[in-house]
Amino acid sequence: EAQVTQNPRYLITVTGKKLTVTCSQNMNHEYMSWYRQDPGLGLRQIYYSMNVEVTDKGDVPEGYKVSRKEKRNFPLILESPSPNQTSLYFCASSVTGGNGYTFGSGTRLTVV
Amino acid sequence: QKEVEQNSGPLSVPEGAIASLNCTYSDRGSQSFFWYRQYSGKSPELIMFIYSNGDKEDGRFTAQLNKASQYVSLLIRDSQPSDSATYLCAASERDNFNKFYFGSGTKLNVKP
Repeated sequence: EAQVTQNPRYLITVTGKKLTVTCSQNMNHEYMSWYRQDPGLGLRQIYYSMNVEVTDKGDVPEGYKVSRKEKRNFPLILESPSPNQTSLYFCASSVTGGNGYTFGSGTRLTVV
Repeated sequence: QKEVEQNSGPLSVPEGAIASLNCTYSDRGSQSFFWYRQYSGKSPELIMFIYSNGDKEDGRFTAQLNKASQYVSLLIRDSQPSDSATYLCAASERDNFNKFYFGSGTKLNVKP
C-alpha cells in the first residue's frame, strides 16, 4: 500500500530533550515536506525537500532541523524542544510537488 | 505575509444540496491552488488542484479559480453526510511549487 509513515503517533517529552520524528514514504516521491497544525492557524510549512540532500525552509523553520540522506526518509529533528512546539505534525510527499501531496497520519507532540 | 483566508464555518447544508466553499489568497503571483479534505482526527487528503482560470471538474467536485479576484472555490454537488469534514485551501508561492500557504479551513456539516 502506497503510504507516508510517521513515527511516533504520540509523544510527550520535556523541554530541552532532543527528539526525532521519523517519516518514510514508499512511493519513490521526489518531494517531501513537514507541516505543523495548530488550532486557528491551520497548516504551516516547516521545511521541504526536493530531492536527496536538497532541503529548504518553509514558513516556520525556527527550532527545527531536517535531513534527506535517502529518498524515502525525511526526519524532523527538534534539538531543544520548547512548549511552543507542542503541536500536531504532518509529513507529506509528492511525485512532482505541483500536483499536491500525500500526508502521513500525523504525530501529536506535547512538550512540557 | 502571504495569506490564505477561509471562513471557518461551520457551513451547514442539507443532504443532496450543493455546498460552496470559498477561499481568497493574498499573493497575486500564486500559480497553483489545492483543496484538501480533513476528517476530524485524520490527516488531510487531496481532493483536487487547479492552475488555470475557470472551472475544473472531478466527479461531484468542481474547483473554480479567478486569479483577477484572487479567489478559489470548491463546489460539492449532491452533498452527502460523508462529506462532513474540514476543507483546507492552499496556494503555492509565486515561483515555488513546493512552498505552500494553507487557510485554516472551513468546517462543512451535511445534514441527513
